Amino acid sequence: EVQLVQSGAEMKKPGESLKISCKGSGYSFIHYWIGWVRQMPGKGLEWMGIIFPGDSNTKYSPSFQGQVTISADKSINTAYLQWSGLKTSDTAIYYCARRDTSHWAPFDYWGQGTLVTVSS
Amino acid sequence: SYVLTQPPSVSVAPGKTARITCGGNNIGSKSVHWYQQRPGQAPVLVIYSDNDRPSGIPERFSGSNSGNTATLTISRVEAGDEADFYCQVWDSGSDHPWVFGGGTKLTVL
Repeated sequence: EVQLVQSGAEMKKPGESLKISCKGSGYSFIHYWIGWVRQMPGKGLEWMGIIFPGDSNTKYSPSFQGQVTISADKSINTAYLQWSGLKTSDTAIYYCARRDTSHWAPFDYWGQGTLVTVSS
Repeated sequence: SYVLTQPPSVSVAPGKTARITCGGNNIGSKSVHWYQQRPGQAPVLVIYSDNDRPSGIPERFSGSNSGNTATLTISRVEAGDEADFYCQVWDSGSDHPWVFGGGTKLTVL
């Protein structure tokens, strides 16, 4: 069974750093892309970026380029999303999702989401 | 970047048919995917490549795509179908290739 299990909820202060994780199982982790999607409170889905764990090829949405860093450790089937200086506007649920290598492929499996709350 | 436009809300009585649209410039030339997000849950893929259903998705869910509009159709709507629905495409050549629509809240009356 394909599963993406994300790390737990986080509560941080502005300016702090954070790294959340997404562990894949039940499939060949290095052969599928992992994307990250933001959902701000009461809002829709926003694509942030994506990584191919096989070779760490990474693409960012222009809206998030320079704001976050996406990485992966294929030895432990885990992808990461990190911030070096959180803002209150980063408060959101963050989802990881898997997609096939075909350009048109959908995000077929999703993690359960990680709630990040940034408040002073 | 490419824009997908969805109506904010659609209401339907139980047992009736719900249609949720997703508008985009020449969207008929793209592959459209649909996700259902129930309250407090992660999104779930319900339709991919315009009109294919993943394993486990009821046949009541179907899709179509032509011209400037893609449509998700839910037949014989049930109370458990109430959720937010999002369309998504891959926009080749864009610096923001993975695009989501703004979402539609389906209310079962």
